[in-house]
Amino acid sequence: DAGVTQSPTHLIKTRGQQVTLRCSPKSGHDTVSWYQQALGQGPQFIFQYYEEEERQRGNFPDRFSGHQFPNYSSELNVNALLLGDSALYLCASSRRGRNSPLHFGNGTRLTVT
Amino acid sequence: GQQVMQIPQYQHVQEGEDFTTYCNSSTTLSNIQWYKQRPGGHPVFLIQLVKSGEVKKQKRLTFQFGEAKKNSSLHITATQTTDVGTYFCAGPEIQLNQAGTALIFGKGTTLSVSS
Repeated sequence: DAGVTQSPTHLIKTRGQQVTLRCSPKSGHDTVSWYQQALGQGPQFIFQYYEEEERQRGNFPDRFSGHQFPNYSSELNVNALLLGDSALYLCASSRRGRNSPLHFGNGTRLTVT
Repeated sequence: GQQVMQIPQYQHVQEGEDFTTYCNSSTTLSNIQWYKQRPGGHPVFLIQLVKSGEVKKQKRLTFQFGEAKKNSSLHITATQTTDVGTYFCAGPEIQLNQAGTALIFGKGTTLSVSS
């Protein structure tokens, strides 16, 4: 039973470029959330997708957008990259429900130069 | 805005010593979850507490949820080198006076253990 898988593992981009990160949820999970984790910090909620729609959004600018596909997989897109976007991007899947625990992927380490 | 705070930020112990981390929320929580992140790894779910005053144990780990459902603690008895990592507490984000499913994480407590 595969857990949450993310790709790529590492990515180096230049300021102003655009990036797409991908996530496949754990089998049986229908909800995908994206988090940004800066070095030494806790994960910060970006947004959550369920039934192919964005259901909740954290305090992130519109440069951050996402998508969920019919097979529950998801993408995170970031436009006009800034140096401050350098972080570990974590995808977490769960079953729909308020108390459902999150299962995290290994993350994508994004470095913006 | 809604905040989840953890203390201490760092803790170093000798193997065999006890360890406690504390979590405080600016709002009343419907539940609180604890996660552990090993160095270079990703957060892994440990436990969820739902009831006021709830206490749960997992081997050497004891988790408590405060009576007012605004604070929580994790206590590890007789630490081992395998306990090394960062421990995060997280609570549901409150939106429009209702708890959503997004989690607000604290900054974590990083535990190091020397043998």
